[in-house]
Amino acid sequence: RKEVEQDPGPFNVPEGATVAFNCTYSNSASQSFFWYRQDCRKEPKLLMSVYSSGNEDGRFTAQLNRASQYISLLIRDSKLSDSATYLCAVTALNSGYALNFGKGTSLLVTP
Amino acid sequence: EAQVTQNPRYLITVTGKKLTVTCSQNMNHEYMSWYRQDPGLGLRQIYYSMNVEVTDKGDVPEGYKVSRKEKRNFPLILESPSPNQTSLYFCASSFGYGTASDEQFFGPGTRLTVL
Repeated sequence: RKEVEQDPGPFNVPEGATVAFNCTYSNSASQSFFWYRQDCRKEPKLLMSVYSSGNEDGRFTAQLNRASQYISLLIRDSKLSDSATYLCAVTALNSGYALNFGKGTSLLVTP
Repeated sequence: EAQVTQNPRYLITVTGKKLTVTCSQNMNHEYMSWYRQDPGLGLRQIYYSMNVEVTDKGDVPEGYKVSRKEKRNFPLILESPSPNQTSLYFCASSFGYGTASDEQFFGPGTRLTVL
């Protein structure tokens, strides 16, 4: 039940660039949305939750479009340290609140 | 320090030899979950637990068992491991479930190889 799809990547961008990731979900009962960051061979860590009205945290902006069933993540002024895999995740009541992850999009920021 | 711990971090074993991967959290979280991560397949949920003595299957439960006798512990049991269970395993926990504030905290992962 792969309900969450992401841009396959990888994204290779220069420092300072703006990069956007999209993620679509198929379960219309989805109710919570997240972006996680995962460094190589490490555990995923929450980057930000995604709220209906959209939200921003420094250089990161997340948007939710319920009608089209997608979420997005925008990273402005990319830093070398932003290089990682970005995972979108969705929970839904009718799937036991399981955190369904996309396969992730790899980002490499180059000097 | 608030954390999720897993043990062992690395394990090489042979087919059919029962093993247990422990998971413990010190944040008084209600919800705990196990995932496996495989190249090209991403993170997939194995089992989850909404509270003590309440567990349910995730996407890929075959070959695994869990128990939730105490709030803080959620061990993953492989009764008869097979090579297709070679994977990177993560335990996670959250205070609640279903809302945007229910961040799941992940353990550091257990890399299991079944020969």
